[in-house]
Amino acid sequence: AQKVTQAQTEISVVEKEDVTLDCVYETRDTTYYLFWYKQPPSGELVFLIRRNSFDEQNEISGRYSWNFQKSTSSFNFTITASQVVDSAVYFCALQGGSEKLVFGKGTKLTVNP
Amino acid sequence: DAGVTQSPTHLIKTRGQQVTLRCSPKSGHDTVSWYQQALGQGPQFIFQYYEEEERQRGNFPDRFSGHQFPNYSSELNVNALLLGDSALYLCASSLETGHATNEKLFFGSGTQLSVL
Repeated sequence: AQKVTQAQTEISVVEKEDVTLDCVYETRDTTYYLFWYKQPPSGELVFLIRRNSFDEQNEISGRYSWNFQKSTSSFNFTITASQVVDSAVYFCALQGGSEKLVFGKGTKLTVNP
Repeated sequence: DAGVTQSPTHLIKTRGQQVTLRCSPKSGHDTVSWYQQALGQGPQFIFQYYEEEERQRGNFPDRFSGHQFPNYSSELNVNALLLGDSALYLCASSLETGHATNEKLFFGSGTQLSVL
């Protein structure tokens, strides 16, 4: 069975702080994809990143960075110098051979001015 | 270029009623997936439609059914509504590439269903 665990239910930071959102996954598939989505209050899930299981290179996109470690089955997401507009619920998701996305329960991030 | 559009945005029903939710995929996409997101939870996969047929289904009862039309738009039908069906229903579209893990999903803003 596939499972995604986001242990942090809610995180609150002050603007300009760095924040890391944790994601741990379980799968028996050897080929799989990992995702992060952002869900603002409007409800739409906004795609942030997709990483395949064979690419463990860390990735940086502006203030966002992702650390993928197969050894610990983790795919953590860091926001550097957080901003109020980063406030949202963030979901980690896993897609294996079954095609469907399996989501974690999400982490609600609040960035206070 | 319109993204994924869903209608209606909000809906209130009573127990036992039936509901139909609609989804138009992003231009150029041919595959539609439906997800249910209960309050405080992550989305859960309901089913996926491709070539007007249900291709894969999650762990949802037969009360949940769907349809895909020749123009790739889709409907989600829920019969005999229960209080527990109250949730945000998200539609996602993608382009079939022949390799499932290459799919990149684009989500709509969802339909918020409240069952009283």
